[in-house]
Amino acid sequence: AQSVTQLGSHVSVSEGALVLLRCNYSSSVPPYLFWYVQYPNQGLQLLLKYTTGATLVKGINGFEAEFKKSETSFHLTKPSAHMSDAAEYFCAVRETSGSRLTFGEGTQLTVNP
Amino acid sequence: NAGVTQTPKFQVLKTGQSMTLQCAQDMNHEYMSWYRQDPGMGLRLIHYSVGAGITDQGEVPNGYNVSRSTTEDFPLRLLSAAPSQTSVYFCASSKQGAVNTEAFFGQGTRLTVV
Repeated sequence: AQSVTQLGSHVSVSEGALVLLRCNYSSSVPPYLFWYVQYPNQGLQLLLKYTTGATLVKGINGFEAEFKKSETSFHLTKPSAHMSDAAEYFCAVRETSGSRLTFGEGTQLTVNP
Repeated sequence: NAGVTQTPKFQVLKTGQSMTLQCAQDMNHEYMSWYRQDPGMGLRLIHYSVGAGITDQGEVPNGYNVSRSTTEDFPLRLLSAAPSQTSVYFCASSKQGAVNTEAFFGQGTRLTVV
């Protein structure tokens, strides 16, 4: 069975600092990996996804993530945080056999001025 | 471009009442699903459907029913609301079998059971 673990339910950074949100997955087959963002009182929207090919994936709003099979990780980064990045971020995994997404617990990102 | 539309956005129920959360999508997606979001627990799958007439249970199905009579609509029914069902509910849709495509989410329904 596939699962996703997000390390750190709350992350706080200063504006302009590096953002690093951690995600580790457990899957018996090569997974498809996603990062979603949820702004307050809104639904989830896709930030980026890894399917096949290049392991460094670029997404919207300056975010990127690197798929590391040896570490079973898919950490999300952004070089310089902006106040508008404050939101909750979810890592999700989908196995090749179906459409079902399994989500991590979520990480609340706070950006301090 | 409506995408996934959920109604209502907010709802307060008394324990024991029933209600239906509505979900509609206009992208002709075969796969639709319902999640509940609770603090510290991420999104947990309640029920899902791979097409009209086909539904199945997810991770936390107890207390909920679904049906899928059309491709567009996937309502979620609470049969007898309980305080433990206080949560934010999200409907999502995606192409069936297209594992590299994203799921599209509605804006959510915030349900409080008193």
